[in-house]
This record gives sequence, C-alpha cells and structure tokens, in this order.
Amino acid sequence: DTAVSQTPKYLVTQMGNDKSIKCEQNLGHDTMYWYKQDSKKFLKIMFSYNNKELIINETVPNRFSPKSPDKAHLNLHINSLELGDSAVYFCASSQERGLAGIYEQYFGPGTRLTVT
Amino acid sequence: AQTVTQSQPEMSVQEAETVTLSCTYDTSESDYYLFWYKQPPSRQMILVIRQEAYKQQNATENRFSVNFQKAAKSFSLKISDSQLGDAAMYFCAYRSDETSYDKVIFGPGTSLSVIP
Repeated sequence: DTAVSQTPKYLVTQMGNDKSIKCEQNLGHDTMYWYKQDSKKFLKIMFSYNNKELIINETVPNRFSPKSPDKAHLNLHINSLELGDSAVYFCASSQERGLAGIYEQYFGPGTRLTVT
Repeated sequence: AQTVTQSQPEMSVQEAETVTLSCTYDTSESDYYLFWYKQPPSRQMILVIRQEAYKQQNATENRFSVNFQKAAKSFSLKISDSQLGDAAMYFCAYRSDETSYDKVIFGPGTSLSVIP
C-alpha cells in the first residue's frame, strides 16, 4: 500500500564512492521530485521530473544525476560522494496540475545518507 | 524569488492547549498555494493543511486551522487541543500557481514540543 517508497532508508558509505537511491510511486502521478534535507532540517528541492522529462534542476553539483526510467520511478545517482552530501534525501510525487489547480506532494520516508 | 520565513525555531505547548505557529512569505505573485507540513520523529513528511491564495476563507482541518492574511503575506497555523502526537517539526511551504513547473519552497521549520 506504500504510496511513495525509497530504498534504502539508511546508507552509510565512504568518501569517493558512487551510490544510488531508488524511488518508486504507485499513485499514478506524473511528476516526481528529489529534495535534500540538511542537518538543520532545511528542505530544498533538487530535481523535478514530469513524465520522465526534467523540468526543475536547481543548483546541484554535476555529481548528482537523476534518472527516470518511467514515470513511476525516479532514481538519484551520486558520484564521488563528499562529506557535505550527508543528509536526508526525500523523494516526492504529485499529480500534474489540472483544472482543479495544483495537487499536493506526497513524500517518501526519506533516505538518510551518511558519508564518512 | 519567493522566500518563506518561520521566525520561531522552537515552540512548546501544554497538552490540550492551543498554539500558533507563524509563517511569513515574500512573493510578487497573486496566485499561489500555501501548505503546512508536519515531520514527526519518524521523518515522514505529512501534509497538514493547504490554502489557495484566491480563497478568502481560512482553511481548517479538524484541530488545525490557518490564519491567512494575503496583504500581510502571513500564514499562521493554529493547533487546538494539542496532543502528544502533534510534537514534530512543522514546515510552511509556498507553491506558485503562475509558473509552468511546480516548485515548492519550504520555510526553515518550527520544532514543536508538547508538554504532558
């Protein structure tokens, strides 16, 4: 019944490694997002995909690359991990805006990434 | 660019009492949406309440209500009859209805403690 799921929930890795976080939503939504929440709980959008097309790309290092194989999945790949990448990463999804206006975003449980 | 400010990093309330969390935002747009999200220790982001800027009536959801002052760009959240389960981080969020992409801007959050 999980609406937005992420794997893994916890990820501990060393500097310089490459890692991926997977996200899947079963809500039939058209748009998916990646957010980063830092140690001070500040939440900021990183990317947004609509029907597999990148529509938002905030100022994020090139080491971060989102990949959307289909509109139900949006994975986040991170190359050459750095200490500053330690954070909680949230995936979210929403329905494309319609006549009723916009729709709220549904969040996954988050992935806590720790880089040592 | 839009910004969202929450001037109270931490708040506390006695169980069964009422508490108000403040949020102000800065925008030049007239059409937008405002949200309050709750993030309990479980880390899950949960939508509490939403308000469409074009609606003058304040939104309510059970014990949660907002005081939306569009001219003052203020969007406070009132929690009545506070319960222990209300203890969480609360994020105010802004989403434009005037852009083709759906970018949500979050405030820095307010940590709410509920005292038994």
